[in-house]
Amino acid sequence: AQTVTQSQPEMSVQEAETVTLSCTYDTSESNYYLFWYKQPPSRQMILVIRQEAYKQQNATENRFSVNFQKAAKSFSLKISDSQLGDTAMYFCAFIAGSGAGSYQLTFGKGTKLSVIP
Amino acid sequence: NAGVMQNPRHLVRRRGQEARLRCSPMKGHSHVYWYRQLPEEGLKFMVYLQKENIIDESGMPKERFSAEFPKEGPSILRIQQVVRGDSAAYFCASSSGTGSIGEPQHFGDGTRLSIL
Repeated sequence: AQTVTQSQPEMSVQEAETVTLSCTYDTSESNYYLFWYKQPPSRQMILVIRQEAYKQQNATENRFSVNFQKAAKSFSLKISDSQLGDTAMYFCAFIAGSGAGSYQLTFGKGTKLSVIP
Repeated sequence: NAGVMQNPRHLVRRRGQEARLRCSPMKGHSHVYWYRQLPEEGLKFMVYLQKENIIDESGMPKERFSAEFPKEGPSILRIQQVVRGDSAAYFCASSSGTGSIGEPQHFGDGTRLSIL
């Protein structure tokens, strides 16, 4: 079974500080992609960052970066210089495989991040 | 707005009624996915459609739920004889269908279905 675990239901961070959200996953596939999605109170689902499993280099998008540890099946999200607009639920997700089901995103339960002024 | 469009944003139904949720994919996208989000949970895959074809409906409940993506018009998720347990946010996503497993799925704003 393919699973995603986010062990931190809630986190908070002071504005301008750095915060790391953790995620672990389990799959027997060797070909997969990992994603972080952000869901603000408006309930949109916004793609934050994407990582290809076969790439060693960690993905970065402006203030957002990941720490991808393939052997440990860990995919954490670091948010630098936190802003009030970063307040949201953050979901870790992945797509794995090359055959049937390889388009199904599997999501974790989410981490609720609050940025404090 | 060239994004994924879902309507209505909120839908209230009484038990036993039918709910119809609509999704227009991003311009140029021909692949549509429906996901359901129960309270305090992540999104769960329901169904994957291409124009006029259901590719995978393994996440759909066996009864009362159906989906279509006609040649013309939006994709429709239909729930017949709704029950309280159908209350959830339903998200549609679309992709261009390049065949890459990592191609991003772009989500709409969701439809929040409430059953009285």
